[in-house]
Amino acid sequence: GAGVSQSPSNKVTEKGKDVELRCDPISGHTALYWYRQSLGQGLEFLIYFQGNSAPDKSGLPSDRFSAERTGGSVSTLTIQRTQQEDSAVYLCASSPTTVSSYEQYFGPGTRLTVT
Amino acid sequence: RKEVEQDPGPFNVPEGATVAFNCTYSNSASQSFFWYRQDCRKEPKLLMSVYSSGNEDGRFTAQLNRASQYISLLIRDSKLSDSATYLCVVNGAGGSYIPTFGRGTSLIVHP
Repeated sequence: GAGVSQSPSNKVTEKGKDVELRCDPISGHTALYWYRQSLGQGLEFLIYFQGNSAPDKSGLPSDRFSAERTGGSVSTLTIQRTQQEDSAVYLCASSPTTVSSYEQYFGPGTRLTVT
Repeated sequence: RKEVEQDPGPFNVPEGATVAFNCTYSNSASQSFFWYRQDCRKEPKLLMSVYSSGNEDGRFTAQLNRASQYISLLIRDSKLSDSATYLCVVNGAGGSYIPTFGRGTSLIVHP
């Protein structure tokens, strides 16, 4: 079946502009995660959605970052007034999160470059 | 102490070698454990879950030691295609669905 998809695959933007990154999770997966990964670094958790519950935003680095998940499916991560330190690969993952499974399936990521 | 720690490596091994990685975790209440593989400039992909009784998938064997709070990954008969970064993931402490990723261990298999 179809995996997690993300768009765009690459985004170059000027400092100060807003960007929107999109994630389409695997159908039927109730959980959706956003991470970012800077070059040579580990994954940094940003935000977690589970069904219709309020999202866990504890990983968002500043109030310039926000995310929505509409209808329990597609999610959009928005970064306002981008800064150069926002340059990274933004990864989305979905998970069935049944009682026995926390397995995550990642999309290919969006490579964001802020110039 | 970091929540999940891994030796960054790189581990340089010849084809056919057996190599093992460990990963330690700090939260004794953690419930789920995984190994992911990440190729250069690609997304992480689930390699295998780690069960309490240990589990094997072909050339790969994963084990969990709750008493010492570490998990391990053993790769037998290494292939060139095994070259990647291996991420340890720990989840479920306190009912949390937010996983903690290790920084990864780099493996380079050479001819």
